[in-house]
Amino acid sequence: GAGVSQTPSNKVTEKGKYVELRCDPISGHTALYWYRQSLGQGPEFLIYFQGTGAADDSGLPNDRFFAVRPEGSVSTLKIQRTERGDSAVYLCASSLTPGPSYEQYFGPGTRLTVT
Amino acid sequence: GNSVTQMEGPVTLSEEAFLTINCTYTATGYPSLFWYVQYPGEGLQLLLKATKADDKGSNKGFEATYRKETTSFHLEKGSVQVSDSAVYFCALSGAGSSGDKLTFGTGTRLAVRP
Repeated sequence: GAGVSQTPSNKVTEKGKYVELRCDPISGHTALYWYRQSLGQGPEFLIYFQGTGAADDSGLPNDRFFAVRPEGSVSTLKIQRTERGDSAVYLCASSLTPGPSYEQYFGPGTRLTVT
Repeated sequence: GNSVTQMEGPVTLSEEAFLTINCTYTATGYPSLFWYVQYPGEGLQLLLKATKADDKGSNKGFEATYRKETTSFHLEKGSVQVSDSAVYFCALSGAGSSGDKLTFGTGTRLAVRP
């Protein structure tokens, strides 16, 4: 079946611009996660949704970052007034149900470059 | 807070050599432990996991044992192949108040020579 998909695969934007990154989780998965991976580092947690609500947004670095999941399926990560330090690969993952023992399936990521 | 420490890479081995990638963690409570792998040009995928002390996770010839006494989850394989060349990430979740989010190490790049 289809895995987690993310669009766009690459995004280049100018400093100060607004960007939206989209994640389509595996059908039926109720939990959705966003991570950010900088070059040479492991992924870092940003936000976790259970259904439509953000159950944990403790990883969002500041108020320029916001994410939604209005119908409990597709999610959009929104970044306002982008900065060069926001350049990274943004990863989305989903799992059938929440819980540390359940596998998170990762998408291929969106590579964001802020010039 | 929770953290994962992995041995730095790159690790370069000849085919059929024995592999160990060290991983230690700091966490409250009883986390679940994972190894994820990222093959060239592909996304992260789960390699193996262990959810309680003394559990052994295994997959594709790789093994790791959850050692609570040493807070370790070292990855091993008896005979590596060229196709094992990838970046390997150790991770934990479910520790203390961290809920379901994964905390990753920095990754270890493995290169296997024919």
